[in-house]
Amino acid sequence: DGGITQSPKYLFRKEGQNVTLSCEQNLNHDAMYWYRQDPGQGLRLIYYSQIVNDFQKGDIAEGYSVSREKKESFPLTVTSAQKNPTAFYLCASSSQGETQYFGPGTRLLVL
Amino acid sequence: GESVGLHLPTLSVQEGDNSIINCAYSNSASDYFIWYKQESGKGPQFIIDIRSNMDKRQGQRVTVLLNKTVKHLSLQIAATQPGDSAVYFCAENLNQGGKLIFGQGTELSVKP
Repeated sequence: DGGITQSPKYLFRKEGQNVTLSCEQNLNHDAMYWYRQDPGQGLRLIYYSQIVNDFQKGDIAEGYSVSREKKESFPLTVTSAQKNPTAFYLCASSSQGETQYFGPGTRLLVL
Repeated sequence: GESVGLHLPTLSVQEGDNSIINCAYSNSASDYFIWYKQESGKGPQFIIDIRSNMDKRQGQRVTVLLNKTVKHLSLQIAATQPGDSAVYFCAENLNQGGKLIFGQGTELSVKP
């Protein structure tokens, strides 16, 4: 998957719980992205970061938070404020303005 | 508004035939377009890209055509194989910090 790893592959969330999805890349890319994909749908942008210690909201940021303390890492937290978190979450990275390469994804399910 | 859409949600072809997947985009300022292939339960995989200063680009068994006049993008797969069965997404770069807008996707099914 192009040097991008996501963990875990499956994640279960209980009511009212925050969960964190991991994304790591060893491609030396400056930019990283988080997308949400619902069944039979395209990808929607949650958050993105063009450089360390900086990030911007995407189209559906409510109920999510991110951090970018290291170039290689861009973890996504799904907070209890996200009322419909069940989805397939995809992380991507790119050099500035170039093709985005995706990780294998994390499937989040609610118990 | 800005959008990238696909004309057909599903496409079924016979093994060995050529496949054509279409995509319409609405933002004339977009300067970069990408096709991705996504197999079930996996992340999207880069297939081919094209910049707005080109109208055709070829890869291995794949060709992307860009018609800026009608804001249309297509992916042609030659001699389609069972391993080509997947959902194909086009994506449009709005030139806003690397953000991509994805279409809904077309599911390609290859019959043996």
